[in-house]
Amino acid sequence: GAGVSQSPSNKVTEKGKDVELRCDPISGHTALYWYRQSLGQGLEFLIYFQGNSAPDKSGLPSDRFSAERTGGSVSTLTIQRTQQEDSAVYLCASSLASGTAYNSPLHFGNGTRLTVT
Amino acid sequence: EDQVTQSPEALRLQEGESSSLNCSYTVSGLRGLFWYRQDPGKGPEFLFTLYSAGEEKEKERLKATLTKKESFLHITAPKPEDSATYLCAVQAGNTGGFKTIFGAGTRLFVKA
Repeated sequence: GAGVSQSPSNKVTEKGKDVELRCDPISGHTALYWYRQSLGQGLEFLIYFQGNSAPDKSGLPSDRFSAERTGGSVSTLTIQRTQQEDSAVYLCASSLASGTAYNSPLHFGNGTRLTVT
Repeated sequence: EDQVTQSPEALRLQEGESSSLNCSYTVSGLRGLFWYRQDPGKGPEFLFTLYSAGEEKEKERLKATLTKKESFLHITAPKPEDSATYLCAVQAGNTGGFKTIFGAGTRLFVKA
């Protein structure tokens, strides 16, 4: 079946411009995560959506970052007034229903590589 | 604060040389510990889930174990195709949603 799809795969933008990154999760997955991975680094948690609950935004690094998830499916991560330090790979993941004793693993897309010049 | 620490940062092995990767964690309300493999330019790929101390899972040359404070990923007789970054993650939470926190990973290089 189809996995998690992210677009674009690569994005080059000028400092100060806004960018939108898109994530199409696996159908039926109610949990959706955004992570950021800088070169040679681990995954930095950004935001987490679970069903109709309020998202956990505790990982967003500044108010320039925002995300939404429409209709419990597609998600968009928006970065306003991009800075060079925003350059990284942005990974999206989805999983089956969370909130039980046994949680399913995350399924990742291949990420969007963002370069801010 | 919830934390996941992986060691070593990098590991170089000869083909057939067995070794172990470590993942130490401090979290409140552990719901599961996960191991992932990440190849360059790709998203992490799920390997194992462990839920309770004493649990073990195996897949080909890989075996994951869990204690109350750490997990090990044992690699037996590795091959060059096992070269990748191995990520440990914990899912924790006491209410509502369950955030998944990742360690920085161990980069494994296996030489033929």
